[in-house]
Amino acid sequence: QVQLRESGPGLVKPSQTLSLTCSVSGGSMRSASYYWSWIRQPAGKGLEWIGRIYGGGSTDYNPSLKSRVTISVDTSKNQFSLRLTSVTAADTAVYYCAREARDYYYALDVWGQGTTVTVTS
Amino acid sequence: EIVLTQSPGTLSLSPGERAALSCRASETVTSSYLAWYQQKPGQAPRLLMFAASTRATGIPDRFSGSGSGTDFTLTISRLEPEDFAVYYCQQYVRSPGTFGQGTQVEIK
Repeated sequence: QVQLRESGPGLVKPSQTLSLTCSVSGGSMRSASYYWSWIRQPAGKGLEWIGRIYGGGSTDYNPSLKSRVTISVDTSKNQFSLRLTSVTAADTAVYYCAREARDYYYALDVWGQGTTVTVTS
Repeated sequence: EIVLTQSPGTLSLSPGERAALSCRASETVTSSYLAWYQQKPGQAPRLLMFAASTRATGIPDRFSGSGSGTDFTLTISRLEPEDFAVYYCQQYVRSPGTFGQGTQVEIK
């Protein structure tokens, strides 16, 4: 059974770079049947799709964040990562990594438990 | 981007009652790419339905989805205590994938 787990600093200073890693266990990231996504959720608010990586390195980003976001993958470690530059308090949120599955028409079928990132000086 | 509007914002019902949650899109969404998620406090969202009307693995049959075009509905036929949560619809027919703002189903 595939499991995802986010890791990274819980506190980031304004203007700095947020970096998170999602570790995938119980399955290989190399399968073409899956895309790998990041989603975030500010406290008490709704979900925002950040972007995804697929096909060995192709990416797709939310235009609202595109200038600041990079998603990368390390299939040898079965991990993918999120970098968000020039953060502000508006980037404070719970960050989730998740899998999009072809068998589910690319719905988000497996999610990590989420990690809270607070942007504060 | 495609905007999804969910209604009502909050639904106050008793266990055993039927819940109908609406998701309206700002433009046509291919039903294959419309999903519903359930989120409980402190937990990650859980996939309930994909392709608008197909239940994900392990989802009980009291959950059903319907709709096409711009109007979609998630129905819970008889609310169980564990069903009180927030529900989100999501479209992923076109990037960026977008979510509705959520409907909270609370105990009356």
